[in-house]
Amino acid sequence: QVQLVQSGAEVKKPGASVKVSCKASGYTFITYGISWVRQAPGQGLECMGWISPYTGNTNYAQKVQGRVTMTTDTSTSTAYMELRSLRSDDTAVYYCARGPKDGYSLGYWGQGTLVTVSS
Amino acid sequence: QSALTQPPSASGSPGQSVTISCTGTSSDVGGYNYVSWYQQHPGKAPKLMIYEVSKRPSGVPDRFSGSKSGNTASLTVSGLQAEDDADYYCSSYADSNNLVFGGGTKLTVL
Repeated sequence: QVQLVQSGAEVKKPGASVKVSCKASGYTFITYGISWVRQAPGQGLECMGWISPYTGNTNYAQKVQGRVTMTTDTSTSTAYMELRSLRSDDTAVYYCARGPKDGYSLGYWGQGTLVTVSS
Repeated sequence: QSALTQPPSASGSPGQSVTISCTGTSSDVGGYNYVSWYQQHPGKAPKLMIYEVSKRPSGVPDRFSGSKSGNTASLTVSGLQAEDDADYYCSSYADSNNLVFGGGTKLTVL
């Protein structure tokens, strides 16, 4: 069965960087993109962008462009999302998801990683 | 401010039907048949319920249906059950290779 397992919670200071991992299993990793979606406490979902493990091509949302880097390691079927110059409003649960596929939908999601930015 | 507009709340009694709207523009909902709906229970990851406006992934009950008219998409839940009590989010492909979400609707089963 398809599974996406993310790394554990992080606490960071403003200005620092965080790198979240997402290990995929149950399917051929390179055949689907990996998207990253975040959810601030009590708020809605926000797509940060996605990466194609097959080509390495990325597509970043304008809001985080310049601060985010998405990468993959096809040898371990793992995707990574690094966010730099953290601010308090980056505090959120970060999800990886398989896709976009089938009409830009995200069919499977990781369990989420809480990133807290606090001095 | 979310790109797509959803009502903050909706409710219905068990067995009833409820419809949640998702309003965008011609640059997203109205321009593409790429609307998805997600269900999220508290503390859990979202789950895909509808894709490409009206298609259901395997395992999603046929009580869930989707439609679109112009710039507004809708999710209808028929025969409400207690486990349908959750937050629901719409999303749409948008111009310039973007994926946008609605602000979410809290569905309460009374």
